[in-house]
Amino acid sequence: EVQLVQSGAEVKKPGESLKISCKGSGYPFTSYRIGWVRQMPGKGLEWMGIIYPGDSDTRYSPSFEGQVTISADKSITTAYLQWSSLKASDTAMYYCARRKQDGYSFDYWGQGTLVTVSS
Amino acid sequence: QSALTQPRSVSGSPGQSVTISCTGTSSDVGGYNYVSWYQQHPGKAPKLMTYDVTKRPSGVPDRFSGSKSGNTASLTISGLQAEDEADYYCCSYAGSYSSVVFGGGTKLTVL
Repeated sequence: EVQLVQSGAEVKKPGESLKISCKGSGYPFTSYRIGWVRQMPGKGLEWMGIIYPGDSDTRYSPSFEGQVTISADKSITTAYLQWSSLKASDTAMYYCARRKQDGYSFDYWGQGTLVTVSS
Repeated sequence: QSALTQPRSVSGSPGQSVTISCTGTSSDVGGYNYVSWYQQHPGKAPKLMTYDVTKRPSGVPDRFSGSKSGNTASLTISGLQAEDEADYYCCSYAGSYSSVVFGGGTKLTVL
């Protein structure tokens, strides 16, 4: 069974760093791209970027380039999303999702990680 | 990249059909057959309902169907059921750097 299991909710202060994770199982992790999607409170979905764990090729939405870093450790089948200096506006639910091998749709999603940034 | 345009809300009675539109440009929806639709219930992760415009993943009822004409894609839900009440998001390949763009979302109310 394909599963993406994300790390738990985080509460951080502005300026702090954070790395959240997404562990894939039940499929060949290095053969599928993993994307990250932001959902701010009461708002819609926003695509942040994507990584191919096979070779760590990473692409970012222009809106998020330079704001976050996406990485993966294929030895433990885990993808990451990290911030070096959080802002209150980073408060949101973050989802990881597996992209189908053919096309650009996301067929499996993690349960989401809620990040709250507040002083 | 601008978000794709969806109506904020649609509604229908049980058994009826509803259609949700998703308007983009020739650089996204109109340029590629890579439109997908996602259903999101409150507090839950999105779920893929249709992809590559018209295809349906295994397990998704055939009451859900996708289509496209020009720069506008549509999701039609026939035989509405109470459990269809949710937010729906369209998504399209946007032609560069593996990027995709989502629509703003549509809240479906089953009356």
